[in-house]
Amino acid sequence: DGGITQSPKYLFRKEGQNVTLSCEQNLNHDAMYWYRQDPGQGLRLIYYSQIVNDFQKGDIAEGYSVSREKKESFPLTVTSAQKNPTAFYLCASSIEGTGELFFGEGSRLTVL
Amino acid sequence: AQSVTQLGSHVSVSEGALVLLRCNYSSSVPPYLFWYVQYPNQGLQLLLKYTSAATLVKGINGFEAEFKKSETSFHLTKPSAHMSDAAEYFCAVGNAGGTSYGKLTFGQGTILTVHP
Repeated sequence: DGGITQSPKYLFRKEGQNVTLSCEQNLNHDAMYWYRQDPGQGLRLIYYSQIVNDFQKGDIAEGYSVSREKKESFPLTVTSAQKNPTAFYLCASSIEGTGELFFGEGSRLTVL
Repeated sequence: AQSVTQLGSHVSVSEGALVLLRCNYSSSVPPYLFWYVQYPNQGLQLLLKYTSAATLVKGINGFEAEFKKSETSFHLTKPSAHMSDAAEYFCAVGNAGGTSYGKLTFGQGTILTVHP
């Protein structure tokens, strides 16, 4: 079955550590996205990529980094510069022109 | 610029009652509009979408929404609530046309509780 796979589902981190969240899709979609979800705040866009080797900052990119070396993969690194990293992170992809997002199951990051 | 406002962070209904979740949007260009549903600790699943065709849109699980341009609204309804409808619902707006891809703006979400 085609879809988006995020890993790990749960992750704990100590303050000062960088962590990388994995996102892989086999839908052959060009565009991929990372959203952050906090209770009562909806989803906020961190980074997006419309094509391999290119990506753009979203609304809350500070403290995060991404890469897009393959069409299928769009990993997100949460760096120690992110002041409040505890959140639920959602990866998504879309077909050009439709605007419709397909989501992974999410990764919950907790900073201890 | 675009924005979404969902009226009511929590809605509670009885099983079998009408479900009405409110969404108002703001967009400087013709919008695409979406409703997504999220169950605890899961990703979002598309319920329905409006992309400038029929103004009354039918989705999965018996949900539907009506696009009203004059009111800038896209409210979600279901005639009869089921216990399995309990979840969080998100309204989202995107730009129609151009290279907008999936740069959607989401509302804050509405948690729907269904009680027996």
